[in-house]
Amino acid sequence: EAGVTQSPTHLIKTRGQQATLRCSPISGHTSVYWYQQALGLGLQFLLWYDEGEERNRGNFPPRFSGRQFPNYSSELNVNALELEDSALYLCATRDRPGLGYNEQFFGPGTRLTVL
Amino acid sequence: AQSVTQLGSHVSVSEGALVLLRCNYSSSVPPYLFWYVQYPNQGLQLLLKYTTGATLVKGINGFEAEFKKSETSFHLTKPSAHMSDAAEYFCAVSRNSGNTPLVFGKGTRLSVIA
Repeated sequence: EAGVTQSPTHLIKTRGQQATLRCSPISGHTSVYWYQQALGLGLQFLLWYDEGEERNRGNFPPRFSGRQFPNYSSELNVNALELEDSALYLCATRDRPGLGYNEQFFGPGTRLTVL
Repeated sequence: AQSVTQLGSHVSVSEGALVLLRCNYSSSVPPYLFWYVQYPNQGLQLLLKYTTGATLVKGINGFEAEFKKSETSFHLTKPSAHMSDAAEYFCAVSRNSGNTPLVFGKGTRLSVIA
């Protein structure tokens, strides 16, 4: 079974540009979570999508946005890029809620560099 | 609000020595607790988790952790370190509703010396 995939692996942009990152979930998973791993800041929750709806967002400005498609894949958009947006962006997906706890499975990440 | 504190951003042990990575959490509701490992240029892999039941949890690669409610701790241990254990380790917490996002500690980099 294929795991969570993310594309691109690396992305280099300049300040002020827009970046689009993509995540494809494990088959059957309906929830997608985005996390930012910036140097010195650890892993921080960005956005959570479930069944096509945004369920929650972390403490990030509105220029971080995204969406979830009918096939449950997801896109993260970062507008007006700033130098401090340089980070590894991790996507995690999870199965529908059921009995017990459903684990989040992580993708390999997209390394975004803003010059 | 929930938070996680990992004591020590970098831990160094000799091969064959005990590994102890410390994690303390803060949660207003019964937590779910996790340890993840991240190898260079890779995503996160779940080592083990505590949800309910037995407080001593065994995970992959010989790791285990014990949930101590009175100490609000969830320390990760391994009796004998192996070179392949060198990685970054993250402790995380979520509310026991099951779907909420994870709150991570800042991570501990484990180095294993031959």
